[in-house]
Amino acid sequence: EPEVTQTPSHQVTQMGQEVILRCVPISNHLYFYWYRQILGQKVEFLVSFYNNEISEKSEIFDDQFSVERPDGSNFTLKIRSTKLEDSAMYFCASSESADSSYEQYFGPGTRLTVT
Amino acid sequence: GQSLEQPSEVTAVEGAIVQINCTYQTSGFYGLSWYQQHDGGAPTFLSYNALDGLEETGRFSSFLSRSDSYGYLLLQELQMKDSASYFCVISGNTPLVFGKGTRLSVIA
Repeated sequence: EPEVTQTPSHQVTQMGQEVILRCVPISNHLYFYWYRQILGQKVEFLVSFYNNEISEKSEIFDDQFSVERPDGSNFTLKIRSTKLEDSAMYFCASSESADSSYEQYFGPGTRLTVT
Repeated sequence: GQSLEQPSEVTAVEGAIVQINCTYQTSGFYGLSWYQQHDGGAPTFLSYNALDGLEETGRFSSFLSRSDSYGYLLLQELQMKDSASYFCVISGNTPLVFGKGTRLSVIA
């Protein structure tokens, strides 16, 4: 069964550094998303991406964040100048279409720890 | 804004039935989904209701009443592996908006 994959599974970085989180969505899916989940809290939407551009973003997704689809398979989230409060689990997700966006397939996540 | 309310914790006995309720407030509502998340795992889609009524998928059923802004997830024949967090999620033609989740503990 096709699945979303994410690398790395755990990333430790120092405050102020830049990190890039990587995702490979399911191959025939057209919509891609990033979410974050601070430990013990709810899953929060960051950004959605379609047709090589951002389709929607939340208040959390400020200038510190950027997304890119550098090739036909990868989807990346870049966090510049990381802060302690960026420590969270970051999930990538994908869906086949806008109509089926209620059913999103999540990757296993990248646990980001900022020290 | 958008908000969802669901109980924070529920405990039930193996083999029993449990219902997790969810009320929501939103403008531009499309539908309500339910996701399951085991500790340390990723959210996994369970069900989606766009219309009023009951949707059944195996041991799990989900209900929606749009007029009452209310839904629930019903889990039957509970198994130990059902111990997880369950999120009601505003969904449809919009980014997913997760509730805070209900932690279900299934005990023997």
